[in-house]
Amino acid sequence: ETGVTQSPTHLIKTRGQQVTLRCSSQSGHNTVSWYQQALGQGPQFIFQYYREEENGRGNFPPRFSGLQFPNYSSELNVNALELDDSALYLCASSRIEQNTEAFFGQGTRLTVV
Amino acid sequence: DQQVKQNSPSLSVQEGRISILNCDYTNSMFDYFLWYKKYPAEGPTFLISISSIKDKNEDGRFTVFLNKSAKHLSLHIVPSQPGDSAVYFCAASVNAGNMLTFGGGTRLMVKP
Repeated sequence: ETGVTQSPTHLIKTRGQQVTLRCSSQSGHNTVSWYQQALGQGPQFIFQYYREEENGRGNFPPRFSGLQFPNYSSELNVNALELDDSALYLCASSRIEQNTEAFFGQGTRLTVV
Repeated sequence: DQQVKQNSPSLSVQEGRISILNCDYTNSMFDYFLWYKKYPAEGPTFLISISSIKDKNEDGRFTVFLNKSAKHLSLHIVPSQPGDSAVYFCAASVNAGNMLTFGGGTRLMVKP
């Protein structure tokens, strides 16, 4: 059983650029959620995908968008990067039919300069 | 508007003693609560959870207590071990949908 994996682990981008982060779900999981963790804070929910559609969204602007693929892997896209987007981005997978915990990947550290 | 709060940014405990980490929430709709542990350069790791229909859940050295009337939960670690040193996050969700609202975390240091 493979865990949640994210790529890349680190990334440096320039303000105004666009970035795509990737996540492979844990085997058997059909739901993917993305979180942003700023330094010294707890993770903040960005959005969740189930059956390739957005299933819920936190308080993030539309320039944060995502995709879920038939194999349940997922992408997080951020357009028009701002300095405040610098954070650890975490992906979590779960099985929506089960009342169980979400499993997290190791995260992607994004630095916007 | 922080719906989940961990008011202690850090906690230091001697090895073998009890560690008590606290969490408060404001949203009455939350019905599922979880604790995650996070080491540097790793993602959060699930520790233990509790449904709102219960007031206690135990798993080995870890026990979570839920006081719904006070909107408060706590994580007890007994006995504490140096390997427990990490940042602990409390999280909550509505309808156990796994759209988690996290607290700000408490850094636990267990001294040998």
